Amino acid sequence: EAQVTQNPRYLITVTGKKLTVTCSQNMNHEYMSWYRQDPGLGLRQIYYSMNVEVTDKGDVPEGYKVSRKEKRNFPLILESPSPNQTSLYFCASSLTSGSAGELFFGEGSRLTVL
Amino acid sequence: GDSVTQMEGPVTLSEEAFLTINCTYTATGYPSLFWYVQYPGEGLQLLLKATKADDKGSNKGFEATYRKETTSFHLEKGSVQVSDSAVYFCALNTNAGKSTFGDGTTLTVKP
Repeated sequence: EAQVTQNPRYLITVTGKKLTVTCSQNMNHEYMSWYRQDPGLGLRQIYYSMNVEVTDKGDVPEGYKVSRKEKRNFPLILESPSPNQTSLYFCASSLTSGSAGELFFGEGSRLTVL
Repeated sequence: GDSVTQMEGPVTLSEEAFLTINCTYTATGYPSLFWYVQYPGEGLQLLLKATKADDKGSNKGFEATYRKETTSFHLEKGSVQVSDSAVYFCALNTNAGKSTFGDGTTLTVKP
């Protein structure tokens, strides 16, 4: 089944404890992206990758890191999480990095930072 | 920068009512436009899209037309069902890889 898989789905952590949210897609998609969803703010793009070893900042990259060493994986790293990073995170992928590509989303990872 | 402005919600309708959710955008160049739907506890999924001016996207009875002159992409459905209750997001993509979403509009359809 074609899908984008995120882990963990739920996580409660404490300020400063490094964590990684993994994202994997099995559709051989070129483009991958991370978003955070907050009430009243919609989805905001954190980082995106148009291909392997190519990553760029989105609108809210502060406090996050990413890497794209393989086509299928695009982990999101929070080196020192803070409470303002409590949010619902979505990974998405698209066949093409062109503007017409529709996004396929994972089911989301709900992160709480105490 | 790019931006998407959606009609504020929540929107509550009776079954079989007509639905319009307004969406306007600002962007440089020629973006593609999308409507995504999010059901409770799930990720977003594509509802419809349009990639150039005057294109009409349609799916499951929903329609939206890419209007370059008014920079709009309003979502419409002639007769909503209870199963259409969800959060709807308008979004745009640029060729530079960036995607911008509206704040989302929560639709509740009552029987």
